Amino acid sequence: TQLLEQSPQFLSIQEGENLTVYCNSSSVFSSLQWYRQEPGEGPVLLVTVVTGGEVKKLKRLTFQFGDARKDSSLHITAAQPGDTGLYLCAGANSNYQLIWGAGTKLIIKP
Amino acid sequence: DTAVSQTPKYLVTQMGNDKSIKCEQNLGHDTMYWYKQDSKKFLKIMFSYNNKELIINETVPNRFSPKSPDKAHLNLHINSLELGDSAVYFCASTQGQGWSTEAFFGQGTRLTVV
Repeated sequence: TQLLEQSPQFLSIQEGENLTVYCNSSSVFSSLQWYRQEPGEGPVLLVTVVTGGEVKKLKRLTFQFGDARKDSSLHITAAQPGDTGLYLCAGANSNYQLIWGAGTKLIIKP
Repeated sequence: DTAVSQTPKYLVTQMGNDKSIKCEQNLGHDTMYWYKQDSKKFLKIMFSYNNKELIINETVPNRFSPKSPDKAHLNLHINSLELGDSAVYFCASTQGQGWSTEAFFGQGTRLTVV
């Protein structure tokens, strides 16, 4: 059974701080996606990383795919209250299914 | 226009009742899904349909029966509702099953069984 482990499960920090969320697996994924979910809404795609070692930036968010395509990280610089939400990673396996992590609940305090 | 829409958004019902949740996508996608998100926010896939055919059927009670009248619709019918069925149910769709598949989600249906 393929698993994606996300850590931390919960993170509460002050505005302006930096943070990193991790997504790890023992399985190789053809691509990995990061989603953000706000209360009362469905997840919305932030980014897809495909190549091992790939780094993508979305304003203050930096996403990296591990060289072996088994893990990924999301780094937020100078976090803002608007970054508050549930962050989910999802890996696409060789059967083209999405395997989901359990999510990281992020709270940014003003 | 809403890409993936599901109704109702909220559903409160008594144990033992039968209820349905409807989902429609206007993206022209081939594949639709039902996910269950529990109180710990873990997204768990329940069913997947590709061009009206069932392709993923995870271990869910047979009280749950999906129906896809066409590739733009995937409805979920639940018989004999139980307290443990309370959760948020999300419908999603993807174009094909390729490696760059992005899942588009509906707003969710919060089901509360009392």
